[in-house]
Amino acid sequence: QVQVEQWGAGLLKPSETLSLTCGVSGGSFSGYFWSWFRQPPGKGLEWIAEISHSGTTNYNPSLKSRVTISVDTSRSRFSLKVTSVTAADTAVYYCAGHWITDSPSRWFDPWGQGTLVTVSS
Amino acid sequence: DIQMTQSPSSLSASVGDRVTITCRASQSITNSVNWYQQKPGKAPKLLIYAASSLQSGVPSRFSGSGSGTHFTLTISAVQPEDFATYFCQQGNSPPFTFGPGTKVDMK
Repeated sequence: QVQVEQWGAGLLKPSETLSLTCGVSGGSFSGYFWSWFRQPPGKGLEWIAEISHSGTTNYNPSLKSRVTISVDTSRSRFSLKVTSVTAADTAVYYCAGHWITDSPSRWFDPWGQGTLVTVSS
Repeated sequence: DIQMTQSPSSLSASVGDRVTITCRASQSITNSVNWYQQKPGKAPKLLIYAASSLQSGVPSRFSGSGSGTHFTLTISAVQPEDFATYFCQQGNSPPFTFGPGTKVDMK
């Protein structure tokens, strides 16, 4: 069974760069599209970006100018960077996978455990 | 972007009640809706994908239906472990968007 574990810095100052990584174990890394999400405290979920094992990417236009998603297939990992963070970027960040099927539609499972990132001076 | 709305925003139920949550998309998305359950401090858990397919390991009291712009999630008989927040999500096209959530709590 595929499992996802995520890690990264949880406290940042305004203007710094957020950096998070997800590691995948227990199954096929290349059989998935991998995504990042965030959820501000008490609010809903926002999809940030996705990447395939070969490096094909899609970004949410609302964040695209500040976000980079990357993949390291040799280590079954993928990462997120968000530049120039502000208090509005404070959220729990999740990574998750979509198993690639014949359907073009996307659903997400499994999920990482989540990382609370707080931006404060 | 495709906007997703949910109703109600919250509801109170007793164990054994039948609960139905509605999700609407701002444009037709065929059957590209998924449903998640989220408990406080936990990651979302996939319940239903492609509108009506039950994710492996999810109890059969959960079911989904709908197509186009109107979708529903039904819990046939609510159990104590079902008190949580439920989100719909469209997987039709990026950016993949979520509904604002429906909180189901104990009456």
